[in-house]
Amino acid sequence: SAVISQKPSRDICQRGTSLTIQCQVDSQVTMMFWYRQQPGQSLTLIATANQGSEATYESGFVIDKFPISRPNLTFSTLTVSNMSPEDSSIYLCSVQPVGYGYTFGSGTRLTVV
Amino acid sequence: RKEVEQDPGPFNVPEGATVAFNCTYSNSASQSFFWYRQDCRKEPKLLMSVYSSGNEDGRFTAQLNRASQYISLLIRDSKLSDSATYLCVGISSGSARQLTFGSGTQLTVLP
Repeated sequence: SAVISQKPSRDICQRGTSLTIQCQVDSQVTMMFWYRQQPGQSLTLIATANQGSEATYESGFVIDKFPISRPNLTFSTLTVSNMSPEDSSIYLCSVQPVGYGYTFGSGTRLTVV
Repeated sequence: RKEVEQDPGPFNVPEGATVAFNCTYSNSASQSFFWYRQDCRKEPKLLMSVYSSGNEDGRFTAQLNRASQYISLLIRDSKLSDSATYLCVGISSGSARQLTFGSGTQLTVLP
C-alpha cells in the first residue's frame, strides 16, 4: 500500500494565524482526501483534491478557510486559515492507490490557543 | 440521520471473550464497506473489507447484509492488543469514492 508522509505531526498556534499541512505520497494517486477528527469524534471529510483542478469541499467547509493545493500526483497541502480554538483538531490526509485500501497519513494534531 | 451509524459503546470485555460490533447505513447506493481500527493518537488503519458473502481473517469476521443495510464485525478470543476504536466505513458510489465514517466503537479488552 502507499506510504504517506504528513507534516507537521503537531503544532500549537496562535489564534488568527494560519498553518499549512503537507502530505507526500510515495506513489502517484488521482485523488487525495483531507479529513478532520475533532476530539472524541470520528473523521469528517473536508475536501477531495484532484491534481489540476480545484478541490471539492464538503458542506460546512469553504475554500477561504481551508485552501488546498494539489500541484502534482504525489503531493498536497491543506491550510487552516485565520485559526480559532474551534479549529483545534487532528487533520489527516488519505489516498487510495489503485488496488489497495485507503491509507491515512499519521495526522497533524493542531492546538489553537 | 447519519449515513453510517454504529453501536455507541464503549465495550469492556475480558480477555478471551467474543465481542460483536454492529453498524447500519442509510445510503443504499453505498458500494463498499470496511472496518478500520484506530489506536489512541494514531491514524485509522484498514482492518478488513466487508462482503455480502462474509469475510474472515483469523479471529475477525465481517459481514454485510445489503437487504437490511447492516454491517457487523465479530472478534473471537479477544486479546489485550485488540483494545482500540473500531470504525465502520462506507464508500460512496461514483467517481468521488469518498469515505463516510461511523462514529466509532471503543473496545477495551481487560486482563
